[in-house]
Amino acid sequence: DVKVTQSSRYLVKRTGEKVFLECVQDMDHENMFWYRQDPGLGLRLIYFSYDVKMKEKGDIPEGYSVSREKKERFSLILESASTNQTSMYLCASSFFGRVGNTEAFFGQGTRLTVV
Amino acid sequence: DAKTTQPNSMESNEEEPVHLPCNHSTISGTDYIHWYRQLPSQGPEYVIHGLTSNVNNRMASLAIAEDRKSSTLILHRATLRDAAVYYCILRGEYGNKLVFGAGTILRVKS
Repeated sequence: DVKVTQSSRYLVKRTGEKVFLECVQDMDHENMFWYRQDPGLGLRLIYFSYDVKMKEKGDIPEGYSVSREKKERFSLILESASTNQTSMYLCASSFFGRVGNTEAFFGQGTRLTVV
Repeated sequence: DAKTTQPNSMESNEEEPVHLPCNHSTISGTDYIHWYRQLPSQGPEYVIHGLTSNVNNRMASLAIAEDRKSSTLILHRATLRDAAVYYCILRGEYGNKLVFGAGTILRVKS
């Protein structure tokens, strides 16, 4: 079974902490994505990466950074967590190239609470 | 990125067909139409996609209008397990982004 695995299902962190959310895929996909999902706002793209060490900002990158040192792993970093970053975070991956004709695969999500 | 418009919510009876509409009037010639769904407490999962012709798979059918400005996801016999948020997304041939709209909340009544 193809898989996108997020390191934690639930996470509670304190305001001001540096938080790392990890995502690993086993499908040799070039593209990886980080989304956050909030009630009434749907899924919003934070960052995506189309290759190792390459990244592009999504719609809401403020307060976040990312790291892609290996093809299979894409990390989302909250430099200084704030309560408004309490959310469900979803990782996804897909092939590069003629991606219109391919599907994306999602992880189960990490529910982050910042207190 | 071309936008899609979907109804906020729809309701269906169990065992009946469901037609979920999506408008995408600004679609470009190389945009594929994708559908994903998100079950409660899970990440989104792929349902189906197409370019111009209607498509069928084990989960659903996708009917695409001739002018490609709208499409319909068809669940042939809704079950309680089909209750989810359904997202219609346009994806360029070489585009890397997946941009989600608000989706349609499908409720299935027994």
